[in-house]
Amino acid sequence: GENVEQHPSTLSVQEGDSAVIKCTYSDSASNYFPWYKQELGKGPQLIIDIRSNVGEKKDQRIAVTLNKTAKHFSLHITETQPEDSAVYFCASFSGGYQKVTFGIGTKLQVIP
Amino acid sequence: ETGVTQTPRHLVMGMTNKKSLKCEQHLGHNAMYWYKQSAKKPLELMFVYNFKEQTENNSVPSRFSPECPNSSHLFLHLHTLQPEDSALYLCASSQTGGPSTDTQYFGPGTRLTVL
Repeated sequence: GENVEQHPSTLSVQEGDSAVIKCTYSDSASNYFPWYKQELGKGPQLIIDIRSNVGEKKDQRIAVTLNKTAKHFSLHITETQPEDSAVYFCASFSGGYQKVTFGIGTKLQVIP
Repeated sequence: ETGVTQTPRHLVMGMTNKKSLKCEQHLGHNAMYWYKQSAKKPLELMFVYNFKEQTENNSVPSRFSPECPNSSHLFLHLHTLQPEDSALYLCASSQTGGPSTDTQYFGPGTRLTVL
């Protein structure tokens, strides 16, 4: 089955610096890659996603890049703020929602 | 608020108890999902309902029994659980459950502890 590896498991950055979280996947049929942010006491919330026919997508301070050949995708957060502190999850979907694998999560701490 | 509510938010039960988790979505979506989130493990998809029909059961033990009476409500009936079933149970919904991979909206979860 699909395997998704997410690194790092924890990440501390100074406010204003950039943060990068990486995920690798194994299923070449995977075609949809969302990133979720989960704050304490809340469910995951989609922050950005990318499909297999796109290499990069940006939304204000957040961007995602996809390298299909290498089977990895990354989340980039620029100008980090304390409210960015949360756990971030990547996911890999193939065949709609019938096949989905999540990464183990990255706990991001932004230090004021 | 995401438009997906879950009750109760916390539940403690013994291994011989029977309880139910409830999820309600106010988004007009047609697909609903149950996920299990355990510490130090990736999020696991348990069940998928699309237009009230169960379309996926990812090898979930029979002590977990889902029910979807309509597109807005989803239940997870629990009986004779094990301590390793303690986790955060998340409900999610999306416009459809098909290959279009619409955005999923998650509820806040029910924190379940099995004693």
